[in-house]
Amino acid sequence: EVQLVESGGGLVQPGGSLRLSCAASGFTFSSYWMSWVRQAPGKGLEWVANIKQDGSEKYYVDSVKGRFTISRDNAKNSLYLQMNSLRAEDTAVYYCARSLLAVTTLPLGYWGQGTLVTVSS
Amino acid sequence: SYVLTQPPSVSVAPGQTARITCGGNNIGSKSVHWYQQKPGQAPVLVVYDDSDRPSGIPERFSGSNSGNTATLTISRVEAGDEADYYCQVWDSSSDHQVFGGGTKLTVL
Repeated sequence: EVQLVESGGGLVQPGGSLRLSCAASGFTFSSYWMSWVRQAPGKGLEWVANIKQDGSEKYYVDSVKGRFTISRDNAKNSLYLQMNSLRAEDTAVYYCARSLLAVTTLPLGYWGQGTLVTVSS
Repeated sequence: SYVLTQPPSVSVAPGQTARITCGGNNIGSKSVHWYQQKPGQAPVLVVYDDSDRPSGIPERFSGSNSGNTATLTISRVEAGDEADYYCQVWDSSSDHQVFGGGTKLTVL
């Protein structure tokens, strides 16, 4: 069974940093594109970043470029999101998601339960 | 950047057919994916590549895509279908995933 478990969320002050982790199990992690998607309270889904199987390609939404870094450790079956210079508008539930098929980044066939990041003083 | 437009809400009586649209410039040339999200839960993929269904998704869920509009159709709507629905594409010109704003389906 595919499982994605996010951790690392919490309350952080504006300008602070946080590192999210996503522990994957039940599949060959190194074979799939992985993504982070967020959802602000009461709002819609927003793609944040995604990363290729070997980490050689990474893409980001414009609003987080230069502040967030997506990475993965295939030996540890883990996905990460390093978030720096956090702003109030980064407050959201952050979901880790796996591509449905090994060959493409979309669609997102499996999702974690999400971890809440709150940026507030 | 590429924009996907969905109606904020759609209402339908049980047993009827719900159609949720997703508009985008020449969206017919892209692969469209649809997600269902119930309150407090993670999204679930219900249709991908315009009209394919993942395993476990009822045949009542179907999709189409042509011109500037993609459509998610839910036949014989049930109370349990009440949820938010999001369309999604990959915008190759910007290498960005794009979500529509979401549509709240209300079962009357």
